[in-house]
Amino acid sequence: EAGVTQFPSHSVIEKGQTVTLRCDPISGHDNLYWYRRVMGKEIKFLLHFVKESKQDESGMPNNRFLAERTGGTYSTLKVQPAELEDSGVYFCASSQVPGGTGELFFGEGSRLTVL
Amino acid sequence: GENVEQHPSTLSVQEGDSAVIKCTYSDSASNYFPWYKQELGKGPQLIIDIRSNVGEKKDQRIAVTLNKTAKHFSLHITETQPEDSAVYFCAASGDDYKLSFGAGTTVTVRA
Repeated sequence: EAGVTQFPSHSVIEKGQTVTLRCDPISGHDNLYWYRRVMGKEIKFLLHFVKESKQDESGMPNNRFLAERTGGTYSTLKVQPAELEDSGVYFCASSQVPGGTGELFFGEGSRLTVL
Repeated sequence: GENVEQHPSTLSVQEGDSAVIKCTYSDSASNYFPWYKQELGKGPQLIIDIRSNVGEKKDQRIAVTLNKTAKHFSLHITETQPEDSAVYFCAASGDDYKLSFGAGTTVTVRA
């Protein structure tokens, strides 16, 4: 069975440009999460989808970030316009049960570098 | 919200020795405490977890202990091997299902 896949693995963009990250969760997993790790710090929660609905987006930094989950399948996270402080590794994770009660399955991450 | 502190940030051990990573949390309502291991080039992977109704859990060479009164929990790896080299993250969550992670510990096992 395929795991969580993320694309691209690495993106380098200029400040002010737009980047879209994609996540394909494990098939059948209703719960999808986005997390971000900045420069050796903690992995910070961004948001949680249950199917196509945003369950919790309290971790989204500001309105430059837009997450969608079309039809409850794959998800995209768009950053527009990108700022220097957006650099980091963006992880997507999925689970059958809510992440606070069971295992989260993480993708390998998308490393974003904003110059 | 929940705040998880993790120490040390780096840990170097001789192969065969033990490694201990400690975490503290702030929210007394937290009741689920997983540990994730991230190997180079991969995403974090769950290695062990513990719930608030249990004080200790063991799985082969790894064990986790939880002290709810003091709000801290620890990961113990015995008889370390080169494949234990990785970044380890502790996390905590309550009924909001939102995991809060520590900053990670980079463990290096020296041959």
